[in-house]
Amino acid sequence: DAKTTQPPSMDCAEGRAANLPCNHSTISGNEYVYWYRQIHSQGPQYIIHGLKNNETNEMASLIITEDRKSSTLILPHATLRDTAVYYCIVRVGPQSYNTDKLIFGTGTRLQVFP
Amino acid sequence: KAGVTQTPRYLIKTRGQQVTLSCSPISGHRSVSWYQQTPGQGLQFLFEYFSETQRNKGNFPGRFSGRQFSNSRSEMNVSTLELGDSALYLCASSREGADNEKLFFGSGTQLSVL
Repeated sequence: DAKTTQPPSMDCAEGRAANLPCNHSTISGNEYVYWYRQIHSQGPQYIIHGLKNNETNEMASLIITEDRKSSTLILPHATLRDTAVYYCIVRVGPQSYNTDKLIFGTGTRLQVFP
Repeated sequence: KAGVTQTPRYLIKTRGQQVTLSCSPISGHRSVSWYQQTPGQGLQFLFEYFSETQRNKGNFPGRFSGRQFSNSRSEMNVSTLELGDSALYLCASSREGADNEKLFFGSGTQLSVL
């Protein structure tokens, strides 16, 4: 079963920031939070991941709450090409090999409109 | 660097037949994972191979099998196909399969069982 909870869908106007929330209240201390997205008929694409601190890369920012029970993915200036299903995943930490714990859940369908 | 390549892109089979899908990981990646994606169940982990050995396995019947070759290329096989096996089959690769590594996904093989 998925260890994360996400809203099923969200809308965002083009050019505005898209803030996608994720609850992971049962996260363990060594579990990372990963975000992937999947554009229709393609394989999932990695976006960002983090453990405790906020992270930023060229695609997005990840804000993790201090208690680590929730996080928010921020796309600062959404474009039409950001329309996709966004998955929040928790994974066991480094030095372990548990790809069976990559459980995607149902994700959030983000629709960016003009 | 070439991405993860899956062949064929589309496949149509009939019930009772068997099928073999192929995945070529990114050069230098030794871990290959397979996922099944259906509208009803979402993305589900099938198995993971590392250095020609199956390291992790999901909750699928024995009709689903796989293997990995010395060059890290992987194949998965589904025997005695059922209608419910119609799905997008995705392959993902990473260097070592560690949980702090991002996965790179192929575009998938869309299997239709008639």
